[in-house]
Amino acid sequence: EDQVTQSPEALRLQEGESSSLNCSYTVSGLRGLFWYRQDPGKGPEFLFTLYSAGEEKEKERLKATLTKKESFLHITAPKPEDSATYLCAVQASGSARQLTFGSGTQLTVLP
Amino acid sequence: DSGVTQTPKHLITATGQRVTLRCSPRSGDLSVYWYQQSLDQGLQFLIQYYNGEERAKGNILERFSAQQFPDLHSELNLSSLELGDSALYFCASSQGGADTQYFGPGTRLTVL
Repeated sequence: EDQVTQSPEALRLQEGESSSLNCSYTVSGLRGLFWYRQDPGKGPEFLFTLYSAGEEKEKERLKATLTKKESFLHITAPKPEDSATYLCAVQASGSARQLTFGSGTQLTVLP
Repeated sequence: DSGVTQTPKHLITATGQRVTLRCSPRSGDLSVYWYQQSLDQGLQFLIQYYNGEERAKGNILERFSAQQFPDLHSELNLSSLELGDSALYFCASSQGGADTQYFGPGTRLTVL
């Protein structure tokens, strides 16, 4: 059974204080690993897709990396508007395309 | 705005009732997915349709059913509702061969 574990559950940072979120996964053949951002009461917003170990993707203050067992979301010099829950999900190889999500990391950036 | 629309935004109903949630995918997307998000379970995959055909099933209860119509919109039907069915229900869509799923704003269901 595919499994995704995210840590920490919650993270409070001062504005400008860089940090990383972790996503550990077990999957029977990884097709892709996805990062989403979710604001309270809203739908998840797509951030990145990573397909193979060693791959990195960047967008503004966010950078996602992938190894064979985990992914990291690095946040550089965060701002209060980066406060949200960050979700990691895996998609297994095969004809089905459903995502298995972790429980998320709730990030709060204080001004 | 992801381009995926869901109606209604909020739904309040009583136990034992039946409701229908509606989703319109992004223009050109053939796949529709339904997910349930509750406080204790996180985001859970329910069911996937591709171009009108059921493609995959997850942890979907027998009281729940879905379909995708020729115009590609989808409906999720929830019947014999229980208190535990209160949750956010999200629809997502993707192109046929692409992997990235784009989520709608969700329907918040409250069962009293």
